[in-house]
Amino acid sequence: GAVVSQHPSWVICKSGTSVKIECRSLDFQATTMFWYRQFPKQSLMLMATSNEGSKATYEQGVEKDKFLINHASLTLSTLTVTSAHPEDSSFYICSASEDSLGGSYEQYFGPGTRLTVT
Amino acid sequence: AQSVSQHNHHVILSEAASLELGCNYSYGGTVNLFWYVQYPGQHLQLLLKYFSGDPLVKGIKGFEAEFIKSKFSFNLRKPSVQWSDTAEYFCAVMATSGTYKYIFGTGTRLKVLA
Repeated sequence: GAVVSQHPSWVICKSGTSVKIECRSLDFQATTMFWYRQFPKQSLMLMATSNEGSKATYEQGVEKDKFLINHASLTLSTLTVTSAHPEDSSFYICSASEDSLGGSYEQYFGPGTRLTVT
Repeated sequence: AQSVSQHNHHVILSEAASLELGCNYSYGGTVNLFWYVQYPGQHLQLLLKYFSGDPLVKGIKGFEAEFIKSKFSFNLRKPSVQWSDTAEYFCAVMATSGTYKYIFGTGTRLKVLA
C-alpha cells in the first residue's frame, strides 16, 4: 500500500517552454502533497505544500508564478514549470500523506522526475 | 526554525564493518523522525521511523536507530554493512504540530568496499 507515482519519469524540454509533472497517490487519498527539488548530490529541498482544493503554500524563495501547483483531487497533484530555463533542470520529487487518526502524517514518496531544460 | 544536521557527508567502509551515521535536529517540540535511503538512480525508500514508544527502532535490511531526546539525536546504525548498502542516507524530521513538513538533512553518501 501507500504507492505514489510520478509521470513522466524524465523529460527534456526547450528553454522557454512549460512542462507539467503529475503526482498520483495510487491506493490512498492524499489530503496533502509536497513537492521537492533535489540537485545533484544534494538533499531534498521542499518547494511547496498543497492541500486538496486549496492554494499551495510555497517555501521562501520559490517563485509561485514559475512553479504552478494544482491539487485538484485527493489523488492527483501537478507541478507545472513555466517558461523553463536551464537552471530549472533538476530532479523533482513529490510525496503524499493522508490524515490519520493517530496523528501520523507520514509522507510517501514518488520515484521522481528528472527535468532537463536545453 | 527547525534544522537537521548530518555530520558525516561521505563515509567509506569495508564490508562487515559497523556503521553509525549521525543525525541531530533542532526543534523544541515533539517530532517524528525518519531515515531514508536512496540507492544510485533510484527513489527514496523508508528505512525506519520513530513516532513514539521504544526509542530504539528497528528497520529494514538490518538497520536500526536510537532516538535520544536529551541529545536531539537519531543516529542510524548497522552492525555489519554489505556492498549493497552503498547509497545515500537522509535523516528527516517532522514536527507533530503545525505544517507537518519534513526537514531533510544534507545526506550522507556511504560507499562500501567489497
